[in-house]
Amino acid sequence: GESVGLHLPTLSVQEGDNSIINCAYSNSASDYFIWYKQESGKGPQFIIDIRSNMDKRQGQRVTVLLNKTVKHLSLQIAATQPGDSAVYFCAETRSNDYKLSFGAGTTVTVRA
Amino acid sequence: DAGITQSPRHKVTETGTPVTLRCHQTENHRYMYWYRQDPGHGLRLIHYSYGVKDTDKGEVSDGYSVSRSKTEDFLLTLESATSSQTSVYFCAIRPSAPNEQFFGPGTRLTVL
Repeated sequence: GESVGLHLPTLSVQEGDNSIINCAYSNSASDYFIWYKQESGKGPQFIIDIRSNMDKRQGQRVTVLLNKTVKHLSLQIAATQPGDSAVYFCAETRSNDYKLSFGAGTTVTVRA
Repeated sequence: DAGITQSPRHKVTETGTPVTLRCHQTENHRYMYWYRQDPGHGLRLIHYSYGVKDTDKGEVSDGYSVSRSKTEDFLLTLESATSSQTSVYFCAIRPSAPNEQFFGPGTRLTVL
């Protein structure tokens, strides 16, 4: 089975609000995590990553939080925009592994 | 799409016919991957390659074979397509470090 999963398959957000997308992972050996965004008809695009020696990492309008105690990962999007409508995947791996394991994804819909 | 192209982008074929999908990269990266994406399953690894003529199986490799005779090309073959192989197929490359992968635009395959 999959070692990474998302809590909710869909999320509806009002434009301008903040979005929080959650992900649970089960492999305690994983030490590197990635969030991808996939727009309709396109391949997944890298958003942000975080290593297990960090709890938080910020990018442009996005923040990833990692809680290793409960094996939980979240992606926060500030001031959600219509262009943020997409499917978001978390992925996990170990530093010495060449493969990623993906969760099933959360579909984010931004309401005008 | 990080210098990755996939061909064809769309294909409709009949059960029992052979199908070959091509992934081409312009970056000379060592690692290349083939995934399939189905509703509710996220991305699942079919096969991957860690060099010319060096390939290995992923979690859903049954019914698929791959070849890599040149660094820039990674071919995925369905020897005898079945309806269960109807899916969207993504190729990905991985720079030597860190672990994130970059995806191509995808090929939508329909097996009737």
